[in-house]
Amino acid sequence: DQQVKQNSPSLSVQEGRISILNCDYTNSMFDYFLWYKKYPAEGPTFLISISSIKDKNEDGRFTVFLNKSAKHLSLHIVPSQPGDSAVYFCAASYVHLIRNAGNMLTFGGGTRLMVKP
Amino acid sequence: DTEVTQTPKHLVMGMTNKKSLKCEQHMGHRAMYWYKQKAKKPPELMFVYSYEKLSINESVPSRFSPECPNSSLLNLHLHALQPEDSALYLCASSPHASGAYNEQFFGPGTRLTVL
Repeated sequence: DQQVKQNSPSLSVQEGRISILNCDYTNSMFDYFLWYKKYPAEGPTFLISISSIKDKNEDGRFTVFLNKSAKHLSLHIVPSQPGDSAVYFCAASYVHLIRNAGNMLTFGGGTRLMVKP
Repeated sequence: DTEVTQTPKHLVMGMTNKKSLKCEQHMGHRAMYWYKQKAKKPPELMFVYSYEKLSINESVPSRFSPECPNSSLLNLHLHALQPEDSALYLCASSPHASGAYNEQFFGPGTRLTVL
């Protein structure tokens, strides 16, 4: 049972335009959401996060929107640049029942973004 | 020092070998994690160490044995692995043991091939 889903395996966007990556989740206990960017043969790089008490968080060209009622979040990249081409993972976590047990991240399947010059 | 390092970068081992993966962070992070990532799949959590103690084991086979010798170092000992264990093994750390705004920072991974 996939608790975090990214339904678009790939997305192609022209340089300078907006990239919108989507993510859906099913577990109501998730209260913190993150986006990671991954290049081949490298570890994921943290991009931006949002707590469930907010509906928007912005950092430079990256904005994450959260719609709790729809259990949906999205990452907007404006303007898109060729260097943004990578696989983007959405991840979700909740406070574990065991205190101080760490944050367990559940990842979506990833979306490969290709930004064309 | 603001990164998580992992060694070796690549590892090829036979099914009867014993090898270890190493992960290091010097950011004073309180929790460290091992993930496994197969090709075209998302990372899957294996183990969590919090304050140098194993706090979560996601039903990982005993041929994988984690160890946390100190707050900066995390090892993954491998023994009698199977070819299906071939994957990218990622280490991560987070500043706190739990709570929000507790981003995990990942190392570059070790690409493991089991022959």
